[in-house]
Formats: sequence, C-alpha cells, structure tokens
Amino acid sequence: GAVVSQHPSWVICKSGTSVKIECRSLDFQATTMFWYRQFPKQSLMLMATSNEGSKATYEQGVEKDKFLINHASLTLSTLTVTSAHPEDSSFYICSARETGFNQPQHFGDGTRLSIL
Amino acid sequence: AQSVAQPEDQVNVAEGNPLTVKCTYSVSGNPYLFWYVQYPNRGLQFLLKYITGDNLVKGSYGFEAEFNKSQTSFHLKKPSALVSDSALYFCAVTPPGGNTPLVFGKGTRLSVIA
Repeated sequence: GAVVSQHPSWVICKSGTSVKIECRSLDFQATTMFWYRQFPKQSLMLMATSNEGSKATYEQGVEKDKFLINHASLTLSTLTVTSAHPEDSSFYICSARETGFNQPQHFGDGTRLSIL
Repeated sequence: AQSVAQPEDQVNVAEGNPLTVKCTYSVSGNPYLFWYVQYPNRGLQFLLKYITGDNLVKGSYGFEAEFNKSQTSFHLKKPSALVSDSALYFCAVTPPGGNTPLVFGKGTRLSVIA
C-alpha cells in the first residue's frame, strides 16, 4: 500500500531554533500534500495544502512566515517552523494523496515537536 | 461547508462483543467518506472509504461501515472487538472530486476491555 514517510519523528530544541520536517511519499507520486497540527486529545487541524511547484495554500489563522512549506518534487514536501517558541510545541502530521480520482489521503507517522 | 460529527468521545466495549463508532456528516452533494485509526504517537491509518455503490463498505482489520444517506451517517462497525482495536478513530469527509483536503471529526477513543 501507499506509504508516507515523515522525518524526524521527535524533535526537542531550544526556543528560537528553526526546525525542518520532511514528508515523503515512498511509492507513489503526490501532487498535493497536506500539513496538519494535532493538539493533545484533539482532532487534526489543517494548516496548509501544498501543491508541487507552487505556493502553499494556508488556512486562516496560520502564519505563513512562521510555517514555511516547500513542495519541490512529486514525492517531497517540507515544513519549516521558523524561530520556534514553546507555543509551537505540538504533533505535526503530513498527508499525501495519490494522483487520481477518489484516492484516500495517506498519513505519515507524525513529528512531535517540543520547544524548550 | 462540510463538517463531521462524532457524538461520542469514548466508547467502551468488551472483547468479543460487536462495536459501533458513530459518525454523521454534512456536505453539499454526494459525500466521500472515510474512516481512519490512530495509535499513540502515530499518524493516521486508512481503514475504509465510501465513494459510491454498495452502502456497506468493508475495510481493513475486519472493520466495516454503513453509509446511510437519509440519516447522513457513516457508522463504523466490527462484529467482534479485539483488545488491539483500542485506539482513536476519526471519521472524515470531503466533497467529490479535486484535491480538497479531508475534514475530520473530533475523534472517538475506543477501549476494548478483556
């Protein structure tokens, strides 16, 4: 089945550091990838939709200068949390949809980000 | 705008008993409906989807879901629960076509007790 690899799985860093999270579709091409944020015991909140070769579309309330998204190829999207602060600590999950009609979204295993 | 409601935060069921996790939706047009499962500190795993056709959809790990258009529901079911089914379950919806992202319910925590 379709596999989405997300790396790293766990990051602990100091306040002010920038952190890059990678999301790869391993055995399929993904024109569109999605980035979600999940708070403890809550549902997934869509942050942005990432389209290969174009600018990401951010959801209302998500700072595009804080959360930089790059989708340089059909198998790789990256999320960079710039100048991270403790309130950015969360579980970030990427998702990719196979090209074609009616395809489900496949999810990475998530990245737990802890900012000290 | 589309939305999903999962009315139960928690469902408890004894091992071997049937389980149901409820989901209702609101979407313009014919919905595409999905169920995902999440284990601790993991991403979401796809269980099953309804696009069109037979209202009873069979998925992974013995799960199935029934699409009911008149009640706008898509409840997840399994005839005999396992302890290993204990996890967080999300129902999701998207309008037909395109690359519209999934809209998720708040999730239901299933606990199967031995």
